[in-house]
Amino acid sequence: GAGVSQTPSNKVTEKGKYVELRCDPISGHTALYWYRQSLGQGPEFLIYFQGTGAADDSGLPNDRFFAVRPEGSVSTLKIQRTERGDSAVYLCASSLSGGLETQYFGPGTRLLVL
Amino acid sequence: QQQVKQSPQSLIVQKGGISIINCAYENTAFDYFPWYQQFPGKGPALLIAIRPDVSEKKEGRFTISFNKSAKQFSLHIMDSQPGDSATYFCAASKPSGAGSYQLTFGKGTKLSVIP
Repeated sequence: GAGVSQTPSNKVTEKGKYVELRCDPISGHTALYWYRQSLGQGPEFLIYFQGTGAADDSGLPNDRFFAVRPEGSVSTLKIQRTERGDSAVYLCASSLSGGLETQYFGPGTRLLVL
Repeated sequence: QQQVKQSPQSLIVQKGGISIINCAYENTAFDYFPWYQQFPGKGPALLIAIRPDVSEKKEGRFTISFNKSAKQFSLHIMDSQPGDSATYFCAASKPSGAGSYQLTFGKGTKLSVIP
């Protein structure tokens, strides 16, 4: 079956611009996570959705970052006024219903802010 | 503050040898310890995971050893193969409200298995 998909695979933008990154989780998975992976580092947690609601957004670095999941499936991570330090791979993961169930990761979106 | 420390940063092993990667954690609230494998251009994929109520878990050539008192755990890859060449991440997790089991990752170990 289809895994987690993310679009675009690569995004180049200029400092100060707005970007949207999309995640399509595995069908039927109610739990969705966003992580950010900087070069040479492990992924870092950003936000967790259970259904349509952001149940845990404690990892968002500041108020320029925002994510939505309006229908409980596709999620969009939105970054306003991008900075060069936002350059990273943004990973999305989904699991069947949260908890200790396996998190399945997508291939990520590589964001480069010039 | 790095909550999960992983070593070594890189590892070169000959085909057929044993690869060993170590991790240590500080937060005793962690209660789930997975290992992820990541190939270039791909997302991490779960390899094997352990809960703290057991000291060892084996799946095929992959074994996790867990030492709760020392707050350490390690991944052993037996009979390492060139296809095992990838970056390996240890992680730890604890419940964080509303069903969230966010993963806290180590910095990764780049494994190269040479023929």
